[in-house]
Amino acid sequence: KAGVTQTPRYLIKTRGQQVTLSCSPISGHRSVSWYQQTPGQGLQFLFEYFSETQRNKGNFPGRFSGRQFSNSRSEMNVSTLELGDSALYLCASSLRGASLTAEQFFGPGTRLTVL
Amino acid sequence: SQQGEEDPQALSIQEGENATMNCSYKTSINNLQWYRQNSGRGLVHLILIRSNEREKHSGRLRVTLDTSKKSSSLLITASRAADTASYFCATDSTSGTYKYIFGTGTRLKVLA
Repeated sequence: KAGVTQTPRYLIKTRGQQVTLSCSPISGHRSVSWYQQTPGQGLQFLFEYFSETQRNKGNFPGRFSGRQFSNSRSEMNVSTLELGDSALYLCASSLRGASLTAEQFFGPGTRLTVL
Repeated sequence: SQQGEEDPQALSIQEGENATMNCSYKTSINNLQWYRQNSGRGLVHLILIRSNEREKHSGRLRVTLDTSKKSSSLLITASRAADTASYFCATDSTSGTYKYIFGTGTRLKVLA
């Protein structure tokens, strides 16, 4: 079974631009979560989608948004990029449905650099 | 602030020794998971322990959970150079928020 894939793997943008990152979960997984990892703040939860619905979101400004498609693939978008948005963005999928207990499987991440 | 805090922040040991890292959290949880991350890469799931479990083993890994103290420990026995990585705990609170909160991580270095 293929793992979680994320595209692109590396991205360089300039301040003010917007960016879209993509995540394809493991086949059969309907829950997709996004995290931002920076040296200063560690791993921060962005949002989680299940069956095309956002079930929860972390404490990030509205510039960060996401969506999930009917095939469970997910995208996250960051508008009006700031230098502080430079980070490793990780996507994780799981079988977690109504039950909260399920392993999360992470993709390799997208390294975003904002200049 | 982070739900989980790992201790120590960094650990350096010789190959063959055991490594123990601890995680403390703040609220009631459904489960706690440990992950490994090699430098700048994605996280690898190591083990999940439910709130009604006290100890779990997987190969050279042993995880304990003490819900009364809101803490967990990860023991890696007979460490290898390949175990060099950062280790994170993640908790899923009982508030039903569908999000995992990650700790700050322990950077483990195993010297050959």
